[in-house]
Amino acid sequence: DTEVTQTPKHLVMGMTNKKSLKCEQHMGHRAMYWYKQKAKKPPELMFVYSYEKLSINESVPSRFSPECPNSSLLNLHLHALQPEDSALYLCASRSTGAYGYTFGSGTRLTVV
Amino acid sequence: QKEVEQNSGPLSVPEGAIASLNCTYSDRGSQSFFWYRQYSGKSPELIMSIYSNGDKEDGRFTAQLNKASQYVSLLIRDSQPSDSATYLCAVNVQGGSEKLVFGKGTKLTVNP
Repeated sequence: DTEVTQTPKHLVMGMTNKKSLKCEQHMGHRAMYWYKQKAKKPPELMFVYSYEKLSINESVPSRFSPECPNSSLLNLHLHALQPEDSALYLCASRSTGAYGYTFGSGTRLTVV
Repeated sequence: QKEVEQNSGPLSVPEGAIASLNCTYSDRGSQSFFWYRQYSGKSPELIMSIYSNGDKEDGRFTAQLNKASQYVSLLIRDSQPSDSATYLCAVNVQGGSEKLVFGKGTKLTVNP
């Protein structure tokens, strides 16, 4: 299995909702990433987990809450989002010591 | 100074021509460099990675790296309309935890 699987592919949520994005990989990668990509912009790093521990938080608002329950799974919990949070959310993983990053297909999030 | 800078686009070339994309980076400690292709609304797709100075060829794509000049480029030979996409230069930035930093991207249009 050489894929990173993200679910759901599309999500529409209201500003008072709570939802979660899921990312899963079975490549044994021990570094996992959340990126946010707005239209016509490059992906911007949000969080990095290394060996299931949060190692980088790029000053992301607390309405985004990451979680890494095990080495294969990465979640992003969403609460009280704003319409400007609408974006493509990308998950990636990387084998520590190796260079290549594998990206999932993303979750297209719309906040209404 | 931004960590990764790409030549501003958009870039338009006729079918069959060579498309040249350029990128500079600021972190002298970076060791790995990537070119991603991204179609509208899709996830970035890795097309080339390069780690050593010089050229690396894969089919119609050639990546070039010059660490002394902190410069990475991508040449696409015999450009096809299907190559029309945004091309993202990405650099693996070292630190406490490694992270992938993207340039702004260059939108390439190949005209039939």
